[in-house]
Amino acid sequence: GQNIDQPTEMTATEGAIVQINCTYQTSGFNGLFWYQQHAGEAPTFLSYNVLDGLEEKGRFSSFLSRSKGYSYLLLKELQMKDSASYLCAVRDFGGNTGKLIFGQGTTLQVKP
Amino acid sequence: EAEVAQSPRYKITEKSQAVAFWCDPISGHATLYWYRQILGQGPELLVQFQDESVVDDSQLPKDRFSAERLKGVDSTLKIQPAELGDSAMYLCASSYVRFQGDTEAFFGQGTRLTVV
Repeated sequence: GQNIDQPTEMTATEGAIVQINCTYQTSGFNGLFWYQQHAGEAPTFLSYNVLDGLEEKGRFSSFLSRSKGYSYLLLKELQMKDSASYLCAVRDFGGNTGKLIFGQGTTLQVKP
Repeated sequence: EAEVAQSPRYKITEKSQAVAFWCDPISGHATLYWYRQILGQGPELLVQFQDESVVDDSQLPKDRFSAERLKGVDSTLKIQPAELGDSAMYLCASSYVRFQGDTEAFFGQGTRLTVV
């Protein structure tokens, strides 16, 4: 089976840096995705990691360690508009299905 | 810009009634997903298609839910009969198949279902 864990809520200050962690257990790992979801809207893609290491994209970076089953999303220079839910998702090829499974999401509140 | 289209955006139905949702994925995307998202939780995978074939429906409550993608393009998700606990956002997504694994999934705007 699959298990994906993220903190439920986080709070940070505008202009600061925040790291959102995600741990996972799958039977056939084939990639990890981060999505952003504002209230009442659909998730939008942020980043993708399939090999170990750091992927940087503007103010957002994502890190993966496959041996530890661990990823984090790093948000720099926080802005008020970054207040949203951040979803960690894993593609699992266990059973040859390539399912895309989401964690429960981390609600980030950015304060002035 | 290509988008995943879903309809309706909102649906209110009485319990025990039937309800259906429609999704048209991005052109050329072979993989189509239906997710259910309850407020405050992450999306839960209900069913995943590769072209017209179901590749996973292990979390689909098959006594009341059904999904089809007859020509491998658009898809319909049906609930019959609807129950109060089915109130949620139903999200459709699609992705492009590559040799080394699918691309990221692109989501539609969802259908907000309220069962009364």
